Amino acid sequence: AQSVTQLDSQVPVFEEAPVELRCNYSSSVSVYLFWYVQYPNQGLQLLLKYLSGSTLVKGINGFEAEFNKSQTSFHLRKPSVHISDTAEYFCAVIKQIASGGSYIPTFGRGTSLIVHP
Amino acid sequence: DVKVTQSSRYLVKRTGEKVFLECVQDMDHENMFWYRQDPGLGLRLIYFSYDVKMKEKGDIPEGYSVSREKKERFSLILESASTNQTSMYLCASSRPIQGYGYTFGSGTRLTVV
Repeated sequence: AQSVTQLDSQVPVFEEAPVELRCNYSSSVSVYLFWYVQYPNQGLQLLLKYLSGSTLVKGINGFEAEFNKSQTSFHLRKPSVHISDTAEYFCAVIKQIASGGSYIPTFGRGTSLIVHP
Repeated sequence: DVKVTQSSRYLVKRTGEKVFLECVQDMDHENMFWYRQDPGLGLRLIYFSYDVKMKEKGDIPEGYSVSREKKERFSLILESASTNQTSMYLCASSRPIQGYGYTFGSGTRLTVV
């Protein structure tokens, strides 16, 4: 079975400071990993994804994440945050199922990033 | 701009009512999903569909059913709404392709009183 653990439910940080949002996964098979962001009163938007290849993945809005197979982690980072980065962030592991060959995401519980001026 | 549209942003229903939540996508995606989002629990999969008239249960299907008569439309049905179904409901769509992203609607906040 696959699962995703986001270790911090809430991360407060000052504007222009660096931030890391932690994500660990468990899976017995090859994984595809995504990070999504949800701004207040909106749906989820894709930040970045890891499928294979380079373990450092760059996404939108200056975010990046590093896939670490030995530590089964996919932590999200940004060197300098803005007030506008205040949002909920979700890590997801994608599994392929037999039905129609579809890919199904399993999401973590989310991390609320709160950027203070 | 491609879209997943959920028909209602806010909905208030009474206990025992039959409730329909509608989702429409304009991207010709094969796969569609219904999640509920609750504070501290993240997104939990209720049902998904990988083709017209095809559906699979997710992690929390109890109390829900779905309908997919057309490729672009995926409906979530609460046969008899209960207060513990008060939640944010998110619809998403995708293609059955490795690494393809998921496009989400803006959500329907359902309150059952």
